[in-house]
Amino acid sequence: NAGVMQNPRHLVRRRGQEARLRCSPMKGHSHVYWYRQLPEEGLKFMVYLQKENIIDESGMPKERFSAEFPKEGPSILRIQQVVRGDSAAYFCASSPPGLAGVGNIQYFGAGTRLSVL
Amino acid sequence: RKEVEQDPGPFNVPEGATVAFNCTYSNSASQSFFWYRQDCRKEPKLLMSVYSSGNEDGRFTAQLNRASQYISLLIRDSKLSDSATYLCVAGASGTYKYIFGTGTRLKVLA
Repeated sequence: NAGVMQNPRHLVRRRGQEARLRCSPMKGHSHVYWYRQLPEEGLKFMVYLQKENIIDESGMPKERFSAEFPKEGPSILRIQQVVRGDSAAYFCASSPPGLAGVGNIQYFGAGTRLSVL
Repeated sequence: RKEVEQDPGPFNVPEGATVAFNCTYSNSASQSFFWYRQDCRKEPKLLMSVYSSGNEDGRFTAQLNRASQYISLLIRDSKLSDSATYLCVAGASGTYKYIFGTGTRLKVLA
């Protein structure tokens, strides 16, 4: 049973370009979460999605960032017109279906390290 | 004030030592608690869930103190392989949104 798969593992972009980060949840999982981790900082919640629905995007920057989880295929975190401050590790996590909350453990992918030149 | 606070460390301890970390949370509605371990430049991995009655998994013991709003992690007989950053996580009841602490770094020395 494969774990949470993220790709690419490393992504280099120049300022102004677009970055697309992909995440395939664990088999059987229907909840996907995206987090950002800056160097020497903790993980910051960005967005929570279920298939075809954004449930909570309260942690997403208002501009340039978007996320989707289509009916088919992986979840995508898209960053338009990247700036140097977007350089970070972006982690995706997934959890099984059911009531989120107590006992609903999130499993993490290996992350995508975005470097903006 | 951060929602989940941890001492960043580092805690430098010799092999075989016992070490304890505390973590405080500010949201009294928090119901789910976890400890994750994160190695350098790797993803967080679940170490253990934290239950109200406290729980133990081998050399690791987690406890929850709701009155004082903190959770703790005790590691006995430290191994070199325990060197990592330990992340405290709290989630409010009925919510998927987990709040991570910034982590406590542990270095176990030979």
